Parts: sequence; structure tokens; C-alpha cells
Amino acid sequence: DGGITQSPKYLFRKEGQNVTLSCEQNLNHDAMYWYRQDPGQGLRLIYYSQIVNDFQKGDIAEGYSVSREKKESFPLTVTSAQKNPTAFYLCASSSGQGAGQPQHFGDGTRLSIL
Amino acid sequence: AQTVTQSQPEMSVQEAETVTLSCTYDTSESDYYLFWYKQPPSRQMILVIRQEAYKQQNATENRFSVNFQKAAKSFSLKISDSQLGDAAMYFCAYRSASGNEKLTFGTGTRLTIIP
Repeated sequence: DGGITQSPKYLFRKEGQNVTLSCEQNLNHDAMYWYRQDPGQGLRLIYYSQIVNDFQKGDIAEGYSVSREKKESFPLTVTSAQKNPTAFYLCASSSGQGAGQPQHFGDGTRLSIL
Repeated sequence: AQTVTQSQPEMSVQEAETVTLSCTYDTSESDYYLFWYKQPPSRQMILVIRQEAYKQQNATENRFSVNFQKAAKSFSLKISDSQLGDAAMYFCAYRSASGNEKLTFGTGTRLTIIP
């Protein structure tokens, strides 16, 4: 079955540590996205990538970094510069064939501070 | 910048009844897409329904339908014959037809189904 796989499901970060969240898709989608979800808020865009080796900052990119070396993979690194990383992180992808194509989401990763 | 507002943080409905969730948005664009996503306790985001702004006809997917009022910038979701499995957070989202394809989400409405 095609879909988006996020791992791990739960992640804990120590002070001053960088952590990387994995996102893999086998939908052959061109575009991939990272969102952050906090309680009582909707999803906010961190980074997105429309093609391999290219990505753009979203609304809340500070303290995060990404790479897009392969079409299938779009890992997100939460750096020590992100002072409030505790949140639920969702990865999404879309075919990129026009803005009407819906985004498909993974199951998410919950990140907490130790 | 576009904004999406969901003014009902929580709603409840009796099983088998009909419920309507509200969504308004602000944009200066004429061409865009609107979506409703469902997030059950499993936290996965599931697409419920999609509306294209240039289409006047309201979208329908089985028990789910929308009331799209472009002039009023309103996009409500109607769930008919509510089922226990409909219990979830529902998010309204906006996407421009041009540009970076970013989705702008509302803050969500938590729907409870009363047996």
C-alpha cells in the first residue's frame, strides 16, 4: 500500500541536542511538507519542498532544518536553537500537479523535552 | 495573508442527527481551494472533502457536504446521519491556486457524537 511513513512515533530530546524526524513516502509525489501542531492550534507550516534538492521556509522555520536528497525522503531536524520543540509533527506530500491536489499525511511524531 | 477561522472550538451531536461545522476565511484572491480534514484520536489527518472556488456547485462526499458561499467567504461542513466514527477534530484549510501550494489551517472544531 502506498503511503507516508513517519518515524519514530515518539521522540525525546535532551537540552542542547539536535534530533531528526524521518518522513518517507512511496506515493511518487513531488511535493513534501512538514507541519507542527500545538494544542488548541491548527497546523503550521515549517518547511516544504516541491522538487528534489530544493526547499523553502514556511511560517515557523526558525530552529529547524531539512534536506531533500531523494524524492521519497524529507527528514526534519529540530536543532538546539528551537527553544520550544515540544509538539506533534506531521509530514505530508502531494503530487504537485496543481494546487487542487490534496495533501496526504503521515501518522505523526510526538516530540517531547527530557 | 490568508487566514482561516473556525469559531466553534467544540460541537456535539446526537448519533444519526445532522451537524454543521462553520469555517470562514479571508483572502484577496479569486482562485483557490478549500478543504476539510478530519483528525481522529489516532492523530492522522484524513481528507474529508475538497471545494474549488471557481465551481459554484457545492462538493458532496457521501454523508459529507459543504455550503460554499464565495461572496461571504464561508465554507461550512454538514455531516448527515452522524456516526460514532465521525468523532474527531475537524480542520478547515485554504490553499491558493498559485504560488507555493501552502495549506493554511483553522484552529479546529472538536466534534463529539452522543450515542
